Amino acid sequence: LAKTTQPISMDSYEGQEVNITCSHNNIATNDYITWYQQFPSQGPRFIIQGYKTKVTNEVASLFIPADRKSSTLSLPRVSLSDTAVYYCLVGDYTNAGKSTFGDGTTLTVKP
Amino acid sequence: DVKVTQSSRYLVKRTGEKVFLECVQDMDHENMFWYRQDPGLGLRLIYFSYDVKMKEKGDIPEGYSVSREKKERFSLILESASTNQTSMYLCASAGDRVGVYGYTFGSGTRLTVV
Repeated sequence: LAKTTQPISMDSYEGQEVNITCSHNNIATNDYITWYQQFPSQGPRFIIQGYKTKVTNEVASLFIPADRKSSTLSLPRVSLSDTAVYYCLVGDYTNAGKSTFGDGTTLTVKP
Repeated sequence: DVKVTQSSRYLVKRTGEKVFLECVQDMDHENMFWYRQDPGLGLRLIYFSYDVKMKEKGDIPEGYSVSREKKERFSLILESASTNQTSMYLCASAGDRVGVYGYTFGSGTRLTVV
């Protein structure tokens, strides 16, 4: 199983760009990297997913270096409503039982 | 949008009771999952299912069983509830085995065993 490590917490201010990095040193060839956002008393919500290089959607970008041992979620111009816990998930596409959530990063956005 | 509905938001049960947590998804997904979430331990996979009547153990299956009689419904069963099963339980579904296009989670059931 690919073990994932994330910072426990991060602080930012409204309008800033936030980068959250997840380390997954023993990622396997079959593994995808997915990021989720979770608000209190809700289930996690899919943000973005990638395998290598860079992926961008309407809410975030995901940067994955060539060795794939880490990944960085980038949130442009955060607002107060982006305050949440962010999880990276490294998932083996051949077997969901070999997917591992990180412990999550609590992002606090201040005014 | 895919909707995953968990039957209860909050449950309080007594030690030794048999507890059923129900989950229904409305997008014809083949794959469904049960996680529990605890402070400091993150999300841990209990069981998952790739198809009707099919189940596989996740990381922490002890004390739990599951049932998948219909494609849209995945039930988690605590055969004899214990206080260490007090937790937030999250159900998810996906159109593929690891959510290549993302898991969709329900809102969770917070279970307290007294």
